[in-house]
Amino acid sequence: ELKVEQNPLFLSMQEGKNYTIYCNYSTTSDRLYWYRQDPGKSLESLFVLLSNGAVKQEGRLMASLDTKARLSTLHITAAVHDLSATYFCAVDTETGTASKLTFGTGTRLQVTL
Amino acid sequence: EPEVTQTPSHQVTQMGQEVILRCVPISNHLYFYWYRQILGQKVEFLVSFYNNEISEKSEIFDDQFSVERPDGSNFTLKIRSTKLEDSAMYFCASREGEVAKNIQYFGAGTRLSVL
Repeated sequence: ELKVEQNPLFLSMQEGKNYTIYCNYSTTSDRLYWYRQDPGKSLESLFVLLSNGAVKQEGRLMASLDTKARLSTLHITAAVHDLSATYFCAVDTETGTASKLTFGTGTRLQVTL
Repeated sequence: EPEVTQTPSHQVTQMGQEVILRCVPISNHLYFYWYRQILGQKVEFLVSFYNNEISEKSEIFDDQFSVERPDGSNFTLKIRSTKLEDSAMYFCASREGEVAKNIQYFGAGTRLSVL
């Protein structure tokens, strides 16, 4: 059974600081998604990483994928309060004609002034 | 931009009642999915659907659950006799085609409250 683990589960950080969220997974996959979720809301797609070594950046967020290490990171640069949310990684695996996303446990980010 | 549409946004039902959650996937997509998220927990895969049949289902997707594509545009999830523990956000997703080249797009979700 595929396991997707994120750490930390909860992160409180001050505005202006940098931090990294880690997503480890237990099976071979070269497709990984990052989502943001505000309380009670839907999943907002942030990044789709489709190959080993993929790096994508949008504003203060940068995501990378190392398929050999089975690790993805979401780096936050100079955090601002608006980034407060829960962040999920999800690994895309294929089985025959099917595929599915297996989500991590989520990292609840709180950015304080 | 095309999007996955889910209705209703919030459904309240009594325990033991049947509910149908509706989804309209993106029009040229061929693969369809349901996921659920219990409040405060991670998102869990329920079922995938392709070529008018279930491709894969999780342990959660027991005999109380069924999916259907009744008319070529809608994709529904039916829960026959709801339980309190079915209360969750249910997300529909769709994918255009070949897994390696296409990503899943999610709808906004339906919040199901079982009383």
